[in-house]
Amino acid sequence: ILNVEQSPQSLHVQEGDSTNFTCSFPSSNFYALHWYRWETAKSPEALFVMTLNGDEKKKGRISATLNTKEGYSYLYIKGSQPEDSATYLCASFGQAGTALIFGKGTTLSVSS
Amino acid sequence: DTGVTQSPTHLIKTRGQQVTLRCSPISGHKSVSWYQQVLGQGPQFIFQYYEKEERGRGNFPDRFSARQFPNYSSELNVNALLLGDSALYLCASSLWGEANQPQHFGDGTRLSIL
Repeated sequence: ILNVEQSPQSLHVQEGDSTNFTCSFPSSNFYALHWYRWETAKSPEALFVMTLNGDEKKKGRISATLNTKEGYSYLYIKGSQPEDSATYLCASFGQAGTALIFGKGTTLSVSS
Repeated sequence: DTGVTQSPTHLIKTRGQQVTLRCSPISGHKSVSWYQQVLGQGPQFIFQYYEKEERGRGNFPDRFSARQFPNYSSELNVNALLLGDSALYLCASSLWGEANQPQHFGDGTRLSIL
């Protein structure tokens, strides 16, 4: 069974703060690591899909890194804004690349 | 571009009943996956379909079944509903269901079992 763990469970920061979250996953039989942002009353939105060890992806103020050998990924948000408030989910593929297994998510709240 | 659409948005059923949830993928996407999300948990994988064939199945009982149609839309069926089936059911589509392709989610169907 593939277990994907995320920490912290929740986070509250002030506008302008930078923050980061951790996602850990089994490093064996790795296929891909996905990050999604899920805002309240909306559907999950894909942020990044990473497949190679050492991958770094960036979208605006959000970036992510991947270490497949040790089984972790970091998501960074630079200069948090209230609109960044959401639950951030990471997921790794299991079952020979057919099943996307999600962590419980990190809920970020940004105060202005 | 129309995104992934799911119907209905909300549904209330009683224990023992059966339910069918529907999903239309993004045009051009051939793979559909279903997930169950309960409060405090991440989405849990139920099924993946590609080209009308089941490609993967999560740890759910046989009461859960699904199918994909020639137009790539999909249905999720749940029989003999239990209180524990109350959840948000999400559908996601991707081009071919490959691990390196992002999944595009619908808004979900909120199922409540009384």
